[in-house]
Amino acid sequence: QKEVEQNSGPLSVPEGAIASLNCTYSDRGSQSFFWYRQYSGKSPELIMSIYSNGDKEDGRFTAQLNKASQYVSLLIRDSQPSDSATYLCAVIRGEYGNKLVFGAGTILRVKS
Amino acid sequence: KAGVTQTPRYLIKTRGQQVTLSCSPISGHRSVSWYQQTPGQGLQFLFEYFSETQRNKGNFPGRFSGRQFSNSRSEMNVSTLELGDSALYLCASSLGGAGGYTFGSGTRLTVV
Repeated sequence: QKEVEQNSGPLSVPEGAIASLNCTYSDRGSQSFFWYRQYSGKSPELIMSIYSNGDKEDGRFTAQLNKASQYVSLLIRDSQPSDSATYLCAVIRGEYGNKLVFGAGTILRVKS
Repeated sequence: KAGVTQTPRYLIKTRGQQVTLSCSPISGHRSVSWYQQTPGQGLQFLFEYFSETQRNKGNFPGRFSGRQFSNSRSEMNVSTLELGDSALYLCASSLGGAGGYTFGSGTRLTVV
């Protein structure tokens, strides 16, 4: 079982729709959860962090965390073509301090 | 505020050679992590340094090594290069707690 799992996609949504990206993790001791966006040929960019159960909203982005189900999600409202990128879920594993473990990423395509 | 600076941006090396990559973190950030990114394996954790001490290490052979200096700048070294070491090497820095990491632009290493 991979430590952090994501559907590789591609996930295709029309412009203006809500894009829903999902991630599961295996270590129950994980304490910090992040979503990074990576455009082709660029380095990952941190877009959301979440540390406790529930929802966290920042502009068009909402991160959701359910530690009981070991599940993290990212919702992108009013999706734009510029949101087309690979979205990486990352987790800091509790027992390993600051080892930030990444999922393989989900490719998102927003069609205009 | 300057971001994470990695040098050089591109490198071409011959199999068997060694290479040193450099990373200057965001001012005030004491934790530096290194990642290897390839199309097939995604983002793989190499190691993490905090205040000149290696706190975590990934599953890479001993040919991969690193260090951190008192000013938090970090270097990683790869000896006896193999064709499979061709990748994007990313450095990321953080304050050192459970917060997110900011990535540099990366060094694209090609081994021929």
